Amino acid sequence: SQTIHQWPATLVQPVGSPLSLECTVEGTSNPNLYWYRQAAGRGLQLLFYSVGIGQISSEVPQNLSASRPQDRQFILSSKKLLLSDSGFYLCAWGPPGYTFGSGTRLTVV
Amino acid sequence: GQNIDQPTEMTATEGAIVQINCTYQTSGFNGLFWYQQHAGEAPTFLSYNVLDGLEEKGRFSSFLSRSKGYSYLLLKELQMKDSASYLCAPTRDKIIFGKGTRLHILP
Repeated sequence: SQTIHQWPATLVQPVGSPLSLECTVEGTSNPNLYWYRQAAGRGLQLLFYSVGIGQISSEVPQNLSASRPQDRQFILSSKKLLLSDSGFYLCAWGPPGYTFGSGTRLTVV
Repeated sequence: GQNIDQPTEMTATEGAIVQINCTYQTSGFNGLFWYQQHAGEAPTFLSYNVLDGLEEKGRFSSFLSRSKGYSYLLLKELQMKDSASYLCAPTRDKIIFGKGTRLHILP
């Protein structure tokens, strides 16, 4: 069966510090992978998606970046966090259907 | 571009039926998802409609009209645990979510 792992669950980081969130998928090959962000009380915003190794599409210009070094690994990074980067970050994979990881709650202080 | 419109909030009574409407405009369309999201948790899959018509799955049903850019999610025999946000998401090669409808269930 397919599973998706996302960590850490919660993270508190100071402004200006770097960020690395990792997501891995098991039990499937060549999935589409997605990073979403949900600010408090807001909808899900698509940040990046990838249809294969090294292939990244950015949906929103920002100080975040994504990489896909392996088929089932998707990484979200930042060199310098901003206060506005706080939110609930979700990784997802598909098709068929789109399954979400359990999310990382990031607070930038 | 993509535009998704669904009510911000709805309130219903335990045991009742509620219909959550969604209208969308997309450039390209493969199908439409509905997801449920409880506060502080990740969304979970409810339904996926590709063709026009009604798909029934237990207490939840979802309807799609591609020509009208319209879908609804029907929840029957409401339970308190159904209090959550419901996200309409038309898709092509990626899912773009609406802002969701927050459903409150009253005892």
